[in-house]
Amino acid sequence: AQSVAQPEDQVNVAEGNPLTVKCTYSVSGNPYLFWYVQYPNRGLQFLLKYITGDNLVKGSYGFEAEFNKSQTSFHLKKPSALVSDSALYFCAVRPNAGNNRKLIWGLGTSLAVNP
Amino acid sequence: SAVISQKPSRDICQRGTSLTIQCQVDSQVTMMFWYRQQPGQSLTLIATANQGSEATYESGFVIDKFPISRPNLTFSTLTVSNMSPEDSSIYLCSVDMTGDLTDTQYFGPGTRLTVL
Repeated sequence: AQSVAQPEDQVNVAEGNPLTVKCTYSVSGNPYLFWYVQYPNRGLQFLLKYITGDNLVKGSYGFEAEFNKSQTSFHLKKPSALVSDSALYFCAVRPNAGNNRKLIWGLGTSLAVNP
Repeated sequence: SAVISQKPSRDICQRGTSLTIQCQVDSQVTMMFWYRQQPGQSLTLIATANQGSEATYESGFVIDKFPISRPNLTFSTLTVSNMSPEDSSIYLCSVDMTGDLTDTQYFGPGTRLTVL
């Protein structure tokens, strides 16, 4: 079965330190990969995506993600965390199969950036 | 990206009643989706809203409970029927921006539903 794993329910990091939120997937073929962020009491905001090309993708708010095909991973990173980055982060994968545009979602990782 | 609005933003309803949630997009989109999300949890896809035809429901969701309309390419409604406390959740609509090849889903702000 196709799946997306976010192995950490919560990540804690000090402000100014680099942060990583992990995502691995089990999907055949060449899927599209996405990161979304959800701030408290808000909808989901698109951060970045990988479809093809350079393995390092840059997105909104200084976030970037690295696609690793051999490890089937798409970890989200930021060089210097801000307290305002504290939110719920979701990894999602779209199997690149025909017209199926449904996303497979991870369970989310709660990021807490401490001042 | 698209600007997506949802109405109402939140509601408190009585058991046995129904609530219709509206989703409006500022541009024509091919695909619209409806999700349910328990606070702090992941998203569960309810159905794909198809313009001009019946919605496509995911396993565990049925049309009698969650009727969906999609009268045009910018608007959709989701009705939560005969509500019970278990229906308390956040309901999100999303649109797939396929027209400009971005292949990205964008989300509305959500409707927070509490059923008493």
